[in-house]
Amino acid sequence: EVQLVQSGAEVKKPGRSLRISCKGSGYTFTNYWINWVRQMPGKGLEWMGTIDPSDSYTNYNPSFQGHITISADQSISTAYLQFSSLKASDSALYYCARQKVPSAKWFDPWGQGTLVTVSS
Amino acid sequence: QSALTQPRSVSGSPGQSVTISCTGTSSDVGDYDYVSWYRQHPGKAPKLIIYDVTERPSGVPDRFSGSKSGNTASLTISGLQAEDEADYYCCSYAANYVYVFGPGTKVTVL
Repeated sequence: EVQLVQSGAEVKKPGRSLRISCKGSGYTFTNYWINWVRQMPGKGLEWMGTIDPSDSYTNYNPSFQGHITISADQSISTAYLQFSSLKASDSALYYCARQKVPSAKWFDPWGQGTLVTVSS
Repeated sequence: QSALTQPRSVSGSPGQSVTISCTGTSSDVGDYDYVSWYRQHPGKAPKLIIYDVTERPSGVPDRFSGSKSGNTASLTISGLQAEDEADYYCCSYAANYVYVFGPGTKVTVL
C-alpha cells in the first residue's frame, strides 16, 4: 500500500526553527515528487512547493519562497519542510502529497497532515 | 499566482445532482487540461477524485465527473449521497511546475 506518513504535531515559539517530515512507503520514493500544501485554520488549500527526491530539484510558490526550505533524503524515503524563523501566521495544518512527474499534474495520495502551532 | 474561484457552498437533496464551478484565467485553467479535484471530509486529508479535467482515479464512483470550458472547470456529482457532504477543492497547473488551488466549496446534502 502506498503511504505518506507525516511527523507529529508541533508547538513552537515565534522565531524558532522547525522541520517536519513526510516518509513514503510502498513505492519507489525517487520516482515521484513530493509537494507540500498548507491549510490554515478553517481555510482552503495552498500549494507551497515541490521537490524531486532523485536530484533535490525544488520549485516554490513565490508566496512562500525565502521563508521555507523543502528537502529530501532518498536513503530514508523522507521529504522535509523546514521553517527557519516561525511566525504566528505559520500556524496551520501542513500536508505532503505525492506526484508522478512529468506526466502527472495531480496529487495522490496525501499524508495525514502535521499540525503546527506557533505561539508565545 | 491568484487563487481560483469557487462558490462557497452548494447543496442538494439525496439523489440530485450538484455542480461546482472553478474559474481561473488563461494562464492556468484556460491554458492547460490539468485541472484536478479533491474531496476533504472534516478532519481528514484531501483525496483525489478527478484529474486531467475529466479522468477518474480507480475506485472513484462514476457519479463524479469533470469538464472544462474556457477558463472554467466544473465538477458534477450525480446521485448525491450523504457521504458526499464534504469540502471540494479544484486545483490547476499554472506552468513551470506551479499549482494553484481554489478556496473550496462546501457541499451540503439536505
